[in-house]
Amino acid sequence: SQQGEEDPQALSIQEGENATMNCSYKTSINNLQWYRQNSGRGLVHLILIRSNEREKHSGRLRVTLDTSKKSSSLLITASRAADTASYFCATVTNNAGNMLTFGGGTRLMVKP
Amino acid sequence: EPEVTQTPSHQVTQMGQEVILRCVPISNHLYFYWYRQILGQKVEFLVSFYNNEISEKSEIFDDQFSVERPDGSNFTLKIRSTKLEDSAMYFCASSDLSRTGELFFGEGSRLTVL
Repeated sequence: SQQGEEDPQALSIQEGENATMNCSYKTSINNLQWYRQNSGRGLVHLILIRSNEREKHSGRLRVTLDTSKKSSSLLITASRAADTASYFCATVTNNAGNMLTFGGGTRLMVKP
Repeated sequence: EPEVTQTPSHQVTQMGQEVILRCVPISNHLYFYWYRQILGQKVEFLVSFYNNEISEKSEIFDDQFSVERPDGSNFTLKIRSTKLEDSAMYFCASSDLSRTGELFFGEGSRLTVL
């Protein structure tokens, strides 16, 4: 599989529940970023975690990075209907300059 | 809040025609990018641009594609002779001095090639 694969591809939860999305990648990275995309819209940066970091928080978001397993997870706590969107992980590899490599994304639906 | 703006939001063109997609990056940013997303597929890197030259490009960015920064504000992507498979959403992005940091994306230009 390619660099940056999200799991699951689709997730449906009730408002108030937590949503966890996972991302795996193949090569060494400089950092890993999570982006959100509302249907038909542009990508919005959520959070960046560097290769020497293990966990990062931003509001209701928590990101973890396990470089030994080449994986990351994004946790959205206390989800809201407005969180409904696609979520993508993207990696910046050590040798790829400034290129982001995106995964296929997780489509999250939060039901009110 | 500063934002990346793209025009047009949607363009329909005939196969073989030239298309220019325009972007105005965030004013103090120095790195500029084009990505594309074919419907239902991943976001793919096309090209990055810094200091008035291409710094990196993907295999997708062949001789049919070119980029230009004609003045101090615009950043354009030109497709010389469009093919059906060029139909996609094209996203412009910019970033500041930190080339491995956060990218700011525009809302995209949807290109439909008939």
